Amino acid sequence: DVKVTQSSRYLVKRTGEKVFLECVQDMDHENMFWYRQDPGLGLRLIYFSYDVKMKEKGDIPEGYSVSREKKERFSLILESASTNQTSMYLCASSPPDRAGQPQHFGDGTRLSIL
Amino acid sequence: AQSVTQLGSHVSVSEGALVLLRCNYSSSVPPYLFWYVQYPNQGLQLLLKYTSAATLVKGINGFEAEFKKSETSFHLTKPSAHMSDAAEYFCAVSDPGTGFQKLVFGTGTRLLVSP
Repeated sequence: DVKVTQSSRYLVKRTGEKVFLECVQDMDHENMFWYRQDPGLGLRLIYFSYDVKMKEKGDIPEGYSVSREKKERFSLILESASTNQTSMYLCASSPPDRAGQPQHFGDGTRLSIL
Repeated sequence: AQSVTQLGSHVSVSEGALVLLRCNYSSSVPPYLFWYVQYPNQGLQLLLKYTSAATLVKGINGFEAEFKKSETSFHLTKPSAHMSDAAEYFCAVSDPGTGFQKLVFGTGTRLLVSP
C-alpha cells in the first residue's frame, strides 16, 4: 500500500514564526501536492510538484512556499505564519502521466497559529 | 475550468436506509471522477473512481456510483447505511488542463447516521 506520512498530526505555532510541514511518500511517485482544508470550503490546492525541484502554484499559494529536494519528500513552508493560516493541511502523491490515477493522502496536520 | 458541486453539506439517514450523496461536475472533456471518504482526524481515502470503463462503478465498503454524462452527475449510493459510514465524503474531477494530474474537489458532504 502507498504510504504518505506527514511529520506532525498537531502543531501549534505563533504568528510571525517560520513553519515547516513535512511530507514523505514511499511509492516513488513523481507528483506531490499540498492542500489546506477548511470547513465549508473543501480542499484547496496550495502547491504541487511533478518532479524534483519542480513546483507549480495551485489556487491559494499566497503566504506559502514549497521545497522538493528529493523525490520522496515535499515540504510546505509558511514564511511568516498568520492566524488565518490556522487550518488542516493535507499532503498527497500520485504517479505521473496516466489519467485516472488517484491521489493518495496522508493523515493531515492540524496547524494552529496563535 | 473544471468544477464540482456537491448538493447538501450535511445528509442524515437512519441505519439501514439508502445513502445518496449527490455530485455534479463541469468538464470540457470526458472526465475522470473520484469519490473519497474522510473519517474524523484522518486523511482522505479513495472510495471509487470512474475512468471511462463501466458507467456503474463499485467501490469499497458497499458504495457505488453511476456516471451519467447527460446529467453531468456522479452520485454516490449505498443500499443500506451502517453507523461506521458516518464521515465526510468528497467528490473530485481530474483537471485536463494539467494533463489530468490535478484534482478539483467539491466542498464535501457530511453523512450522519442515526441508530
